[in-house]
Amino acid sequence: AQSVSQHNHHVILSEAASLELGCNYSYGGTVNLFWYVQYPGQHLQLLLKYFSGDPLVKGIKGFEAEFIKSKFSFNLRKPSVQWSDTAEYFCAVRGSSGSARQLTFGSGTQLTVLP
Amino acid sequence: ETGVTQSPTHLIKTRGQQVTLRCSSQSGHNTVSWYQQALGQGPQFIFQYYREEENGRGNFPPRFSGLQFPNYSSELNVNALELDDSALYLCASSSRDRGSYEQYFGPGTRLTVT
Repeated sequence: AQSVSQHNHHVILSEAASLELGCNYSYGGTVNLFWYVQYPGQHLQLLLKYFSGDPLVKGIKGFEAEFIKSKFSFNLRKPSVQWSDTAEYFCAVRGSSGSARQLTFGSGTQLTVLP
Repeated sequence: ETGVTQSPTHLIKTRGQQVTLRCSSQSGHNTVSWYQQALGQGPQFIFQYYREEENGRGNFPPRFSGLQFPNYSSELNVNALELDDSALYLCASSSRDRGSYEQYFGPGTRLTVT
C-alpha cells in the first residue's frame, strides 16, 4: 500500500511571501496525485490534481504543483500568499491497482498567513 | 447541482453504543467513499461503495460497516463504539463510470464517544 508524507506540520508566513509545501509518497506504480484544502469551518475542496502529461499542474487560486517522478514528490507552490490562504492543506495519492486504488492522505500542513 | 450532504452534523455517543451516519452523494455520482479524520490527522479511508456493493476497504475492523442505496446515498454504521472512534467522519462521492476519480467531500459528521 502507498503512503504520503507531508514534511511541515505548521507553516507561518506573512502576506506576499512565497509558499512551498512538501509532499512525498511511496508507491512503485502509476499514481494520481491531489492537493486538497480545508478552509476554517469548510469541507475539503480539491485544489489541483495530476493524472498524466505535463508534470506542472495549475489549480485554483493561483496554486500550482510539480510532479517529480524521480523524487516521488508533488510539492505545492504559490508565488505570493494571501491572508485568505490560511487553511489546512492535504496531499493525497491514488495508486493504480488493488487496494492502492483508494485515496491515501498525508497528515496535513496547517498554513497560517499573517496580515 | 446539489453537493454532498451528511447528517447529523454532530453526535455524542457512549462507549459500547452503535451509531449510523448518513450521506447523500452529489447528483450524478454513483460511488461513495467514507473516511475517518482524527484530530490533527489526514482522512483515513474506511471503505467505498459502488452501485450498492462494497468496492474496497481500508484497515478498519468489521464493526465498521456500510450500505449504499439505489439512489446512491449511503450509511456508515459503527457498532460497539470505542473512545478512539471519536473523529470527524467524511463522506465523498465520485462518478466512477465517467473515469473520473475526483472525489467531492461533504462537511462531515463530528462524532464524540464518551
